[in-house]
Amino acid sequence: QKEVEQDPGPLSVPEGAIVSLNCTYSNSAFQYFMWYRQYSRKGPELLMYTYSSGNKEDGRFTAQVDKSSKYISLFIRDSQPSDSATYLCAMSVKYGNKLVFGAGTILRVKS
Amino acid sequence: EAEVAQSPRYKITEKSQAVAFWCDPISGHATLYWYRQILGQGPELLVQFQDESVVDDSQLPKDRFSAERLKGVDSTLKIQPAELGDSAMYLCASSLRDRSNEQYFGPGTRLTVT
Repeated sequence: QKEVEQDPGPLSVPEGAIVSLNCTYSNSAFQYFMWYRQYSRKGPELLMYTYSSGNKEDGRFTAQVDKSSKYISLFIRDSQPSDSATYLCAMSVKYGNKLVFGAGTILRVKS
Repeated sequence: EAEVAQSPRYKITEKSQAVAFWCDPISGHATLYWYRQILGQGPELLVQFQDESVVDDSQLPKDRFSAERLKGVDSTLKIQPAELGDSAMYLCASSLRDRSNEQYFGPGTRLTVT
């Protein structure tokens, strides 16, 4: 079993929809949680970074962490065709430890 | 905006040949990472440098892979000999010394081994 599980999709939604992307993990020691966006043939780009449980909002993006359920989410409001990309979750046990990535979810936003 | 530079962007090589990738991190970033990303999977750390020193190379196949960062700035990752299973995207990332959870990635080198 992988430490971090992520549904590969693809997830296809109409423009303007609210998108929910999720990851589950098995290592209860993870404390730092990141979301990266990766466009085709490009490197990942850091979107959101949260520590421990709770919510964090940045523009149209909201990251949620539920450590009791070992479940993290990324919500995208008012989705745009430019949001079409692969979204990777990543996590680490403590600051400075290596990041463990999920396999990524492909998102397609149709105009 | 400062970016991580990588070259080449694409490389096709025959198995058993040697191949090398280059990375120039964001200026001032002491920590440099090399990842391998197989199609449909997330990046996996191969090696991590702090300045010129290796911090973690536990997942680096040392019989064929080597990495160096001689002056603590740019870095080279080498594969010799390349195998068919090495076909993947090789990503370089960098971060500030005390911000290792905020990594900035380069565009990657897409390697195809034939």
